[in-house]
Parts: sequence; C-alpha cells; structure tokens
Amino acid sequence: AQSVTQPDIHITVSEGASLELRCNYSYGATPYLFWYVQSPGQGLQLLLKYFSGDTLVQGIKGFEAEFKRSQSSFNLRKPSVHWSDAAEYFCAPLFKWNFGNEKLTFGTGTRLTIIP
Amino acid sequence: DVKVTQSSRYLVKRTGEKVFLECVQDMDHENMFWYRQDPGLGLRLIYFSYDVKMKEKGDIPEGYSVSREKKERFSLILESASTNQTSMYLCASSLHTGTGGLFFGSGTQLSVL
Repeated sequence: AQSVTQPDIHITVSEGASLELRCNYSYGATPYLFWYVQSPGQGLQLLLKYFSGDTLVQGIKGFEAEFKRSQSSFNLRKPSVHWSDAAEYFCAPLFKWNFGNEKLTFGTGTRLTIIP
Repeated sequence: DVKVTQSSRYLVKRTGEKVFLECVQDMDHENMFWYRQDPGLGLRLIYFSYDVKMKEKGDIPEGYSVSREKKERFSLILESASTNQTSMYLCASSLHTGTGGLFFGSGTQLSVL
C-alpha cells in the first residue's frame, strides 16, 4: 500500500541551529515529492518539489531537501533556522492511482518550535 | 500569484444544518480539492474535481457532497452537519497534471455545535 510517514510529531530547535525533518514513503516506484509549510492560521504553501534528476533540491525560504532512493526518504533541511520558520511542515508524495490520475497524499505533519 | 479564496474563515453551525463551504480560484486550474485537517491526522482528501461538473471521491467522502458548476468555483456541502465534522477545511487547486503542486486557500474553521 502507498503511504507516507513523518516520524517526528514535534521538533524544537534553537534559533540559528540546523534543522532536518524526516519523511519516508512506501511505494513501488519513485513518486513525485513535495514539502509544504503551514504557518499558524494559514493554508499550506509549497516549499519545494522533486521529480527527477539532481537529488538535492532547493526551495524557498532557504530550505532544501534530499531524495534518497535506497532509503525511500525525502528529508527537509535548513542550515540555520529563523524564528519565522516556526510552523507545521508536511511531506506529500504524489502517487499514481487508478485511471492514470495522480493523488497527493499528506503526511501527518511535523510541528517546528523555535526557541531563542 | 495564484489565489485560492475560501468564503469564510470561521463558521459556527448547529447539528443537522446544511452547510456550504465555497472556494474560488483565479488561475484557470483544472483540478480542485477539498481536504479536512485534524490534529494528528494531517490532511485527508474529501473530494476532488478535475473538470467542470466532474467529481471524484477522496478518502473520506461520507457525509459530504460537492458541486462544480464553473471551473473557478468548487463547493463543499455538508448535507446534515454533525459534531464530528468540526474541523479545518482546506480548499486547493492545481494544474491538470498535478506536478506543479497544490495552491491552498487559508482554510475555514468549522465548528458544529
């Protein structure tokens, strides 16, 4: 069955520290992969996406993510977090389902807290 | 920039009422989606539509219906609201391939009392 897992429900990091948010998927092929961010009281905003090619992709707000086929992972990273990065982050693989349509599946999210 | 507008930010309804949630997008996207978001459960797909007057059930369609009479507008209908439908509802749109990602509205927090 197709699935996505974000193993960390809540992460707390100090401002200026590095960040890595984990995402693993289960699928018989390589899906398209997305990361979204949701600031408090807002909808979701696309951070970055991976389809093929270079396995390290750059996104907005200084985020990057690395696709590792052998680990079925697509972890999100940032070298130095800012207080404004406090939000909830969702990993979302795009799996193909019946009739050739694609279906975006969201992980349960990781809430990021930044401490001064 | 793509704009997805949800008509209400907060709604309070009573059990048994018929509830309409409206969503409008301004980028001529073919696909539109309704999700509900609950703590610890992430986003779950209720219904989606890939064309006018077309609709497909998502993962949790029970108790909901949708309407898409015009390309830019996608409505979610709760025929008889129940307390377990209290949730944040998010509308999204995308190009037909889906590979550009989804563009989300700000959400409607619905409380059913």
